[in-house]
Amino acid sequence: GAVVSQHPSWVICKSGTSVKIECRSLDFQATTMFWYRQFPKQSLMLMATSNEGSKATYEQGVEKDKFLINHASLTLSTLTVTSAHPEDSSFYICSALSGGSTDTQYFGPGTRLTVL
Amino acid sequence: QKEVEQNSGPLSVPEGAIASLNCTYSDRGSQSFFWYRQYSGKSPELIMSIYSNGDKEDGRFTAQLNKASQYVSLLIRDSQPSDSATYLCAVEGYGSYKLIFGSGTRLLVRP
Repeated sequence: GAVVSQHPSWVICKSGTSVKIECRSLDFQATTMFWYRQFPKQSLMLMATSNEGSKATYEQGVEKDKFLINHASLTLSTLTVTSAHPEDSSFYICSALSGGSTDTQYFGPGTRLTVL
Repeated sequence: QKEVEQNSGPLSVPEGAIASLNCTYSDRGSQSFFWYRQYSGKSPELIMSIYSNGDKEDGRFTAQLNKASQYVSLLIRDSQPSDSATYLCAVEGYGSYKLIFGSGTRLLVRP
């Protein structure tokens, strides 16, 4: 099956620092990846769509200068949370869109970010 | 505002029973529908996808879709304690690969 990895699985950082999260599709190429955020006891909220070779598109209310997305290859997308603050603490999950005849999104294991 | 609605639960069923999870959506143009299972602290895991009206079966799971009623359901037969999790209904927006998630239904299977 399609496998998506994320790194790191958890990170603790000080307020004001930047954190980079990597999302990789391990056994398939993904021209499109998605970044979600999930707060405790809430559902997944789409933050942005990451397209290989082009700029990411952000959902309404998501600051593109704060959440930098780079999709440099067909298997790697990165999310950088710049100048992180405690309110950015959340569970960040990426997904990769499978190619071919299906449009299934396969999710990475998630990254738990805690900003002190 | 495109929405996906689910009962938050918890839905409690005894082991071996059938669990029925329901979902309604607002975007009539949606063509693709998914059920994901999410254990606490983990990311969602795909269980089923369904694209056409009717039933789709995969092992103990059956997804049902009724586009006229804008209704999707998931039946879990012979429920096991390991099925205890939050089940997320996701609907793909028309003309887009973006998924809109419901808030999830928490299922508890009692031994």
